[in-house]
Amino acid sequence: SQQGEEDPQALSIQEGENATMNCSYKTSINNLQWYRQNSGRGLVHLILIRSNEREKHSGRLRVTLDTSKKSSSLLITASRAADTASYFCATGTGANSKLTFGKGITLSVRP
Amino acid sequence: GEEVAQTPKHLVRGEGQKAKLYCAPIKGHSYVFWYQQVLKNEFKFLISFQNENVFDETGMPKERFSAKCLPNSPCSLEIQATKLEDSAVYFCASNDGNRWDTEAFFGQGTRLTVV
Repeated sequence: SQQGEEDPQALSIQEGENATMNCSYKTSINNLQWYRQNSGRGLVHLILIRSNEREKHSGRLRVTLDTSKKSSSLLITASRAADTASYFCATGTGANSKLTFGKGITLSVRP
Repeated sequence: GEEVAQTPKHLVRGEGQKAKLYCAPIKGHSYVFWYQQVLKNEFKFLISFQNENVFDETGMPKERFSAKCLPNSPCSLEIQATKLEDSAVYFCASNDGNRWDTEAFFGQGTRLTVV
């Protein structure tokens, strides 16, 4: 299976609820990044967490990283309809290395 | 510029025709990456450049695909003799390469449709 496997594949929630998305990976990494993609457009960078970090916050986003389990989670609190998008995790293995992406999670936030 | 600019936005080619895609990285960014996204699914890495030099080409198909980043010109990705399976959105990204964990900035992509 692919490096950077997210679950669930699709998530539908009500506005105001929290959304949690998980990502697992297989090889050693030096950073993990989460991106958002709206309707097949370009990727928007959300947050980067380094391999020596365990948790990071940015606004309504909270990312955790467990290198022992090779997994990460993205929590979006107090979701909004505008958060409806596909979310991808991507891992980097070295300086300026390519990113290896998972298949993505489709999040639908119902107004 | 302040964003990664990709042209054209859409490209339609008949099977067997050539396709050429362009990417202007953010000014000052020394690394450029090309990714292919098929059917809104995962992103497949193709090739990266450090300035005009190939940095990593491990994802580049051996045949028909080529890429360049020449000084003072947009980077380009060229597909010779396109096939139906080349239909995808091709994304370019750049970063400044100053840190080992820097984020990549993505363009809006070029949607290639091979008919």
